[in-house]
Amino acid sequence: DSGVTQTPKHLITATGQRVTLRCSPRSGDLSVYWYQQSLDQGLQFLIQYYNGEERAKGNILERFSAQQFPDLHSELNLSSLELGDSALYFCASSVAWASLSGTDTQYFGPGTRLTVL
Amino acid sequence: DQQVKQNSPSLSVQEGRISILNCDYTNSMFDYFLWYKKYPAEGPTFLISISSIKDKNEDGRFTVFLNKSAKHLSLHIVPSQPGDSAVYFCAATVYGGSQGNLIFGKGTKLSVKP
Repeated sequence: DSGVTQTPKHLITATGQRVTLRCSPRSGDLSVYWYQQSLDQGLQFLIQYYNGEERAKGNILERFSAQQFPDLHSELNLSSLELGDSALYFCASSVAWASLSGTDTQYFGPGTRLTVL
Repeated sequence: DQQVKQNSPSLSVQEGRISILNCDYTNSMFDYFLWYKKYPAEGPTFLISISSIKDKNEDGRFTVFLNKSAKHLSLHIVPSQPGDSAVYFCAATVYGGSQGNLIFGKGTKLSVKP
C-alpha cells in the first residue's frame, strides 16, 4: 500500500458527460501528479500541483482540469467525455515539487479506470 | 516523439536466471532515472533509481546500469523469481529541475516461469 488513495476505482459513463476523480496523497506529501495510461500508451503526465498551486502541465486536454485543495487532496475533472478518454488515471504524490534535497520518489495510487461508452 | 523508449514489449525468463530490461532515452537533459514495477489492477511501485553521476546502483536482487554516452539504462534482476512477473516501466526526469514530472516508457512485461 503506497498510502495514496484514489476514488472511485471504476467509473463507467457516457460520451459528453463530466466526471471527477479524487486523490488523497500520502501523509506529508505536498505534491500531486496526475497521469493517464491508455491502452497503447505508457503513462502520460497530465498535470502537477504543489501545495495548492499548479506547478507543471503536460499533455492535458483543455476539457480536463484539476485542482488541489487546502487539505492537499486533489481532483481531476474530465468534461465533454469522448470514447478516447477511456483509460486508467493514476495519481501520484511526493514530498516536494522537484528533487531539491535528495530523491523525490513519486508514490502512485491504485488508479481509477474510466470507461466512456 | 518518445523521449523514453522500452523497445521490448515483453520478456520471458526462467526462474533463477537473470532478467535484463532495457531502456533508451533521447533527451540529454535527463539526469535521474527510475524503474517502476506494476502488477495488474495496482498502481506503479517504485523499484530503484539512479542519478547520472553514477553508472550503477544496486538494491538486493535489482541493479540498474546507466550508460550516459549511449543514453541507455538497464535493469538486472538476479535471480529472477515468479513474483517478479509484472510490467516494468522506465522513467526519467531532470533532477532538481523546475518540474518534477516523470517521463515514462511504455513498459516491458516480464514473465518469470517456474
